Parts: sequence; C-alpha cells; structure tokens
Amino acid sequence: DIVLTQSPVTLSLSPGERATLSCRASQTVSTNYLTWYQQKPGQAPRLLIYAASTRATGIPDRFSGSGSGTDFTLTISRLEPEDFVVYYCQQSGTFGGGTKVEIK
Amino acid sequence: QLQLQESGPGLVKPSETLSLTCTVSGGSIISGSYYWGWIRQPPGKGLEWIGSILYSGSTHYNPSLKSRVNISVDPSKNQYSLNLSSVTAADSAVYYCAASGFNYGISAYFYWGQGTLATVS
Repeated sequence: DIVLTQSPVTLSLSPGERATLSCRASQTVSTNYLTWYQQKPGQAPRLLIYAASTRATGIPDRFSGSGSGTDFTLTISRLEPEDFVVYYCQQSGTFGGGTKVEIK
Repeated sequence: QLQLQESGPGLVKPSETLSLTCTVSGGSIISGSYYWGWIRQPPGKGLEWIGSILYSGSTHYNPSLKSRVNISVDPSKNQYSLNLSSVTAADSAVYYCAASGFNYGISAYFYWGQGTLATVS
C-alpha cells in the first residue's frame, strides 16, 4: 500500500509569506491521482488542487500544485489570514497525515 | 451543483453496526460521473478513506476496514449507504460522504457532505 508522508507537520509563517508544503509517496504515483485539500476547523475538507497541478473552480491563484513521481508540492504564494489551517494530500485510498499552517 | 447530506444515528453501542446514509441532490447517483465515497476523521486526527462505490455497484474498500465495511447504492432514493460492523470506540469519528470525479477514480473528492459525528459507546 502507498504511504503519503506530509512535511512539515506544522509550518509557522507570517501573513504575506510563501508556504511550501510537501507530500512524498512511498512509491511512484500517477499525477492524475494526486489531490490537495484544505480543511478549516469544524468544516469538511475542500478540494484545492487535483491531478497534481489543476486548481479547482473558485480556488485563488495563490494556490498552486506541482510535482511528479513520488514528490509533490503545494505552494501558497502569499499567505492570507484564512490560509492558516490544515492541508492534506491524497492519492487513491490514502491520505497524508496533514500539514498545519500556523501564524508565526 | 451537487449536494450531499449524511444521516444516521449519532450513538452506536460497541459490537453493533454503524449505518449511515448519504442523500445526493443536484444530480443523479446513477449518472456515472462520480465515485461515491465515505471518509472519516476521528476527533483531532487526520482523514481516513473508508471506501467508494460506483453506480454500477462496483466497490473499493480500505484494506484495513474491508472485513467490516459494506457500501451500497439505492438509486430509487438517490442515496448510498455505509454499514460498518463490529464497531469499537476506535470507530468514533466524524463520517463524511463525498463524490470523486469519475476521471480521477477515488482520488479527487470535489463534493463533500457536512459530516456527521458517530460515537461508539
């Protein structure tokens, strides 16, 4: 079974800074099946990026995804106050453990 | 716009079966456009994929839960259901139903229900 390891577990940054979140797979995965979600407290996850790099409808362009093979990245170019929440990657039946972006 | 809504008992006794239903609106469950899935999240923890079903009845289950899980579709009610048997306290979680775009298999859940908390006690 594929294991997805997200790092760091917690990322401490200030508003306006750039955030780089990593998702590493234990084996090569298809880019078509790599997805990123954002989850705010008390809410269901929201799909941000699918197929590794395609933004979902309505997602601001400060969010971008990249990567292939076993290494994938979610980048938030300039952090807004509402971006300080938890992010998950997913590939088929596996979710990563999540990265919490917190205010420094 | 597809909308999903979970329903079911919030409290289940240990060793019994947890049964939840997801009602789909804004689209047909037999359209073939989505994999219909269940994902859960224990309080304060991460997401765990439980399984998915296609309108045809084809299912995919998390290997760690496969022996206890059954997902089925009821096209007449535009609903699909989750049964999780022999539950323990470790199965206490918020349970989400969600729809993954067909072209992306079970990997892209574009639509989510609000989630329902199920407690085993």
